[in-house]
Amino acid sequence: RKEVEQDPGPFNVPEGATVAFNCTYSNSASQSFFWYRQDCRKEPKLLMSVYSSGNEDGRFTAQLNRASQYISLLIRDSKLSDSATYLCVVNRNNQGGKLIFGQGTELSVKP
Amino acid sequence: SAVISQKPSRDICQRGTSLTIQCQVDSQVTMMFWYRQQPGQSLTLIATANQGSEATYESGFVIDKFPISRPNLTFSTLTVSNMSPEDSSIYLCSGSNTGELFFGEGSRLTVL
Repeated sequence: RKEVEQDPGPFNVPEGATVAFNCTYSNSASQSFFWYRQDCRKEPKLLMSVYSSGNEDGRFTAQLNRASQYISLLIRDSKLSDSATYLCVVNRNNQGGKLIFGQGTELSVKP
Repeated sequence: SAVISQKPSRDICQRGTSLTIQCQVDSQVTMMFWYRQQPGQSLTLIATANQGSEATYESGFVIDKFPISRPNLTFSTLTVSNMSPEDSSIYLCSGSNTGELFFGEGSRLTVL
């Protein structure tokens, strides 16, 4: 079993749609959680951190359920520019950035 | 966040040769890591580059194949030794101070 698992993609949605990505992690000692975005042929970039109470940044909402070891990302009113691969990322042991990446879920937003 | 520069950005190499990738950060960072991203795959952590000492390798990666140096807090190198076509991948240098990880643009390696 992979340490971080995500929904298989790709997701193809129309502009304005709401889309949700799911992620589970296997190491219960994991401390920090993130969503990264990777555009085609580019390096990954931090989209948002995920906090226990859930957090929102504009159209993006992240949720964490430690009991279920589950992380989610919700994108509302999706834009063409949201098209990318979304990576669920877990800090295995809180050692300043040793991050483990999920396999990523590709999102394609169509006009 | 710091800016990370890697070179070469891409290279085509012959089987059996070695290539060293350089990573320069524009400010001091506490942690530096090397990741690999094979075609169509996500990122796999190769090792943590430790300043002034041997790198800490993840399962499946060994120092003989991927020697790493980190002489100071802003610079690291990764060597891919005795390359085979299976080593064709993007190699990404990353740095972190407070948990957020930022990346260089990657070095795209093709082994013929």
